[in-house]
Parts: sequence; structure tokens; C-alpha cells
Amino acid sequence: NAGVMQNPRHLVRRRGQEARLRCSPMKGHSHVYWYRQLPEEGLKFMVYLQKENIIDESGMPKERFSAEFPKEGPSILRIQQVVRGDSAAYFCASSPLGGAPHEQYFGPGTRLTVT
Amino acid sequence: KNQVEQSPQSLIILEGKNCTLQCNYTVSPFSNLRWYKQDTGRGPVSLTIMTFSENTKSNGRYTATLDADTKQSSLHITASQLSDSASYICVVSAFGDYKLSFGAGTTVTVRA
Repeated sequence: NAGVMQNPRHLVRRRGQEARLRCSPMKGHSHVYWYRQLPEEGLKFMVYLQKENIIDESGMPKERFSAEFPKEGPSILRIQQVVRGDSAAYFCASSPLGGAPHEQYFGPGTRLTVT
Repeated sequence: KNQVEQSPQSLIILEGKNCTLQCNYTVSPFSNLRWYKQDTGRGPVSLTIMTFSENTKSNGRYTATLDADTKQSSLHITASQLSDSASYICVVSAFGDYKLSFGAGTTVTVRA
């Protein structure tokens, strides 16, 4: 059973470009969570999605950031018009339908660098 | 203010020695506490999980303790190995809440 997959692992974007981060949850998992980790800081919750539904996006900036988890395919975290402050590691976690909310399994992360 | 505080921020130990990491939390109502190991450039991997009624849990050379009354936890690493070099993150979950509260982590460096 493959773990949570994220790609790309590293992404470099110039200011103003768009960044697309992908997350494929573990097989059988239908809940996806996105977190951001800044240097020397803990992971911060961004958004919680189920298939075709955004359950909680309270941790996501209102502008430039969006997330989706379509019926088919990976979850996408999209950052438009990136700025230097968006440089961080973005982690995706997944949990199974009906599982305890804390049973989240993390992917390896995508390291975004904005130049 | 972060609801999970870890100390020390970093530490260096010699291979074969023991060390203890601390975690204090204010998350309420408490559901469970996990210790994760995060290798450089990797995602967090769960080491132990403890609920309210558990006060100790071991995973190989890692032993976690929990005092739910004082809201403190510790992670003890015994006979450290070079591969133990990583960031150790304390994560606390509130009852019925999917949002996890993360500590900033303790960076452990094991030297030969």
C-alpha cells in the first residue's frame, strides 16, 4: 500500500507565477489535509477536503490560494501570483473515511522556493 | 500563541547517549498526543500515540510519557544512533477535532 504521494518534491517559481502542488492520498483514504511549514516553525493547518468538497479552509489565505480534491485524480493546492513569502514546505496528509480524525498520514512534502 | 510548546529547540548528543525531549500543551479537551519524527526533507512519521488514559508508550528505543494532569509529555531516546538525527514534533489533538496542533519541533543531532 503506497503512502501519501506528493509531487513535485521541489518547485521553483518566479514571483508572479503560479504554483500547483499535487497530493495523492493513500489508497482507500478520502480525506485530505494541507499544511504549510515555514522554516523553524511547526506545521500550520491550511485546508481540509473530502472528495469534491472543501470542508474547512479556515487556515488558507483568502487570496491567491485555492484547493480542490476532484472525484478523480489527486488533490491540488494552487497558489497564484506567488510571492517570496510563499516559500515553504507544503505537506499533505490523508485519513480514511470513518477513521479517527487524528489518524493522518503525511506525504513527503513539496518544497516551494519563490525567487 | 501556540498551544504546543517544545523544548529544547535543538540539542546535540554523542552516539550511544540518551536524551529527553519535552512537550507542554494547552489543547483542550484533550484527545491524544503523538510524537512524530521528521527527517530532513521528508514528511513526519508517527512514532507513538497516547490517549488520556495512557502514561507511557514505547516504540523500540523511543519511549514517550504523558501526564494529562500537568499537560506535559516527554520523548526519551535511548542509546542514540546517527539515524536518530531528525526533528521530533509533538502533535496534540483535541477531542472531536480534525485540526492537529503542532509544536515547532526539537532538532536532534547525533554525532559519532
